[in-house]
Amino acid sequence: NAGVMQNPRHLVRRRGQEARLRCSPMKGHSHVYWYRQLPEEGLKFMVYLQKENIIDESGMPKERFSAEFPKEGPSILRIQQVVRGDSAAYFCASSPDRGGEQYFGPGTRLTVT
Amino acid sequence: AQTVTQSQPEMSVQEAETVTLSCTYDTSESDYYLFWYKQPPSRQMILVIRQEAYKQQNATENRFSVNFQKAAKSFSLKISDSQLGDAAMYFCAYRRRGGGGSEKLVFGKGTKLTVNP
Repeated sequence: NAGVMQNPRHLVRRRGQEARLRCSPMKGHSHVYWYRQLPEEGLKFMVYLQKENIIDESGMPKERFSAEFPKEGPSILRIQQVVRGDSAAYFCASSPDRGGEQYFGPGTRLTVT
Repeated sequence: AQTVTQSQPEMSVQEAETVTLSCTYDTSESDYYLFWYKQPPSRQMILVIRQEAYKQQNATENRFSVNFQKAAKSFSLKISDSQLGDAAMYFCAYRRRGGGGSEKLVFGKGTKLTVNP
């Protein structure tokens, strides 16, 4: 049973470009959480999605960031017009239901130059 | 809002010795979970141990055990017989249970554990 998969593992973008981060949950999991880890910090919640629905986006920056989890395919975290402050590791976690254990992917390290 | 505080940015321990990592948290909820995660240099988040707030008995997983003091809102991790592979960042985390809201994890800033041979 494959774990949570994230790609790419490393992503380099120039300021002003768009970054797309993908998360494929574990088989049978329909709930996805995205977290961001800035250097020397703990993980901070960004958004919680269920298939085709955003349940909680209270941790998402108001501008440039969006997330989706379509009926088919991976969850996508999209960052438009990236700035240096967006450089971080982005983790997704999936769970089988709302209160279920969250299983983490290996993360995507975004570097903005 | 819930907060998690880890007051020890760095700790070190000799191989085979015991070390305790501290964590305090603040919440008005009565039903919740507490976790310790390990993050080695690979950055993969690995669940070490979990504690349900309604359980009085402290959780144990092999060499890892917790001291959960609900009234004091304290949740420390004890690592016995430390091994070189235990070297990592350790994060304490909180998650509310039920209530219909988002059950997001709230993390502390972490403690970097070094194990000396």
